[in-house]
Amino acid sequence: QVQLQESGPGLVKPSETLSLTCAVSGYSISSGYYWGWIRQPPGKGLEWIGSIYHSGSTYYNPSLKSRVTISVDTSKNQFSLKLSSVTAADTAVYYCARHQVEYSNYLPSGWFDPWGQGTLVTVSS
Amino acid sequence: SYELTQPPSVSVSPGQTARITCSGDALPKQYAYWYQQKPGQAPVLVIYKDSERPSGIPERFSGSSSGTTVTLTISGVQAEDEADYYCQSADSSGTPNWVFGGGTKLTVL
Repeated sequence: QVQLQESGPGLVKPSETLSLTCAVSGYSISSGYYWGWIRQPPGKGLEWIGSIYHSGSTYYNPSLKSRVTISVDTSKNQFSLKLSSVTAADTAVYYCARHQVEYSNYLPSGWFDPWGQGTLVTVSS
Repeated sequence: SYELTQPPSVSVSPGQTARITCSGDALPKQYAYWYQQKPGQAPVLVIYKDSERPSGIPERFSGSSSGTTVTLTISGVQAEDEADYYCQSADSSGTPNWVFGGGTKLTVL
């Protein structure tokens, strides 16, 4: 079955760039689906960050778009997240997930399944 | 920005029926999805496209939709169902934006 695993530094300094990678196993990214990033601040709810297709086509959360870059490496079957100019408000558990994007009534829709186990990133000096 | 609204908490006794609601202006046009998250674990999809149940999810989990409100129903609640539940949908403005509700803590008394 499809499995996802996040990796990257657990501590990032304010104003620097957060970088994470999601390795996918059990499924080839090149075969389809979008692949997304979601985060969850400690004790709070979920926030979609952005998603990417194997072709490189991306969707980003409008509220984070200016700071987010998501890229894909099909040769390594993984995709990555970069979030620039981080502050303490970016401290969160970051999840990667397969993103089933569909169009309903000509509007983008869809869901996230399965998810990686998540990785905690703390922004602190 | 688009928002989905859930009650912060719902409490039920074992064997009873739990209903968790989620409200949003775009829900008449967009499907809703539900996730279960237990402490220290990643979310798990329990309902997709308003009322479809993924394989492996118990039949006691069901979903429904009416106007601007969708409902997750858990019939015959068990202790293991105690968790946070999140609804998720997408904006209908034309700008791709996937949104989660604030989450509901289900307590099994």
